[in-house]
Amino acid sequence: SQQGEEDPQALSIQEGENATMNCSYKTSINNLQWYRQNSGRGLVHLILIRSNEREKHSGRLRVTLDTSKKSSSLLITASRAADTASYFCATDLDNNNDMRFGAGTRLTVKP
Amino acid sequence: GAGVSQSPSNKVTEKGKDVELRCDPISGHTALYWYRQSLGQGLEFLIYFQGNSAPDKSGLPSDRFSAERTGGSVSTLTIQRTQQEDSAVYLCASSSYTYGGNSPLHFGNGTRLTVT
Repeated sequence: SQQGEEDPQALSIQEGENATMNCSYKTSINNLQWYRQNSGRGLVHLILIRSNEREKHSGRLRVTLDTSKKSSSLLITASRAADTASYFCATDLDNNNDMRFGAGTRLTVKP
Repeated sequence: GAGVSQSPSNKVTEKGKDVELRCDPISGHTALYWYRQSLGQGLEFLIYFQGNSAPDKSGLPSDRFSAERTGGSVSTLTIQRTQQEDSAVYLCASSSYTYGGNSPLHFGNGTRLTVT
């Protein structure tokens, strides 16, 4: 079963613009993670935000978490063509690292 | 060190045949996951192993699917009597277990299964 749902399903922007992707989830969580996937193969971990955190930064990435709304957003600033990929959020079902992923957002950055 | 290794990278099989997919996790990682991804879709959870605990098998789609993890390391996902709808990329991931679930997952490159 899927725990998270990303929105939008697809996003197309010009290089240099900012990209915002949203994730909603259903149950209480301990942490929320964002991953990137190129070419339909293995996912790469981008950033983890704990349930007691509201915002986190890593380079051009900014993640926010609103546990009252059960939602998170991933902002990529000053996007590059190389950011073209699918982005997924993942949440744990319990305290046991049992992770579930959403359907993903397909981001296309046009040069 | 070495990442998560999956084999084979591609597998073509005839409908009705059994297949075995292998995952070698990162050494020392006690948590191991299997997911399935159809073309253009999200990750569908299949099974989760954590140490010596009973695995979470709630995602296995039918009794044709089974998985085991020997010695707390290598895992094998077996699909019996394959069907065309089993065609997908099967992804394995591992993580170091921490209570509270604060460990990132490390993924292999997946096995692309095609059932003809």
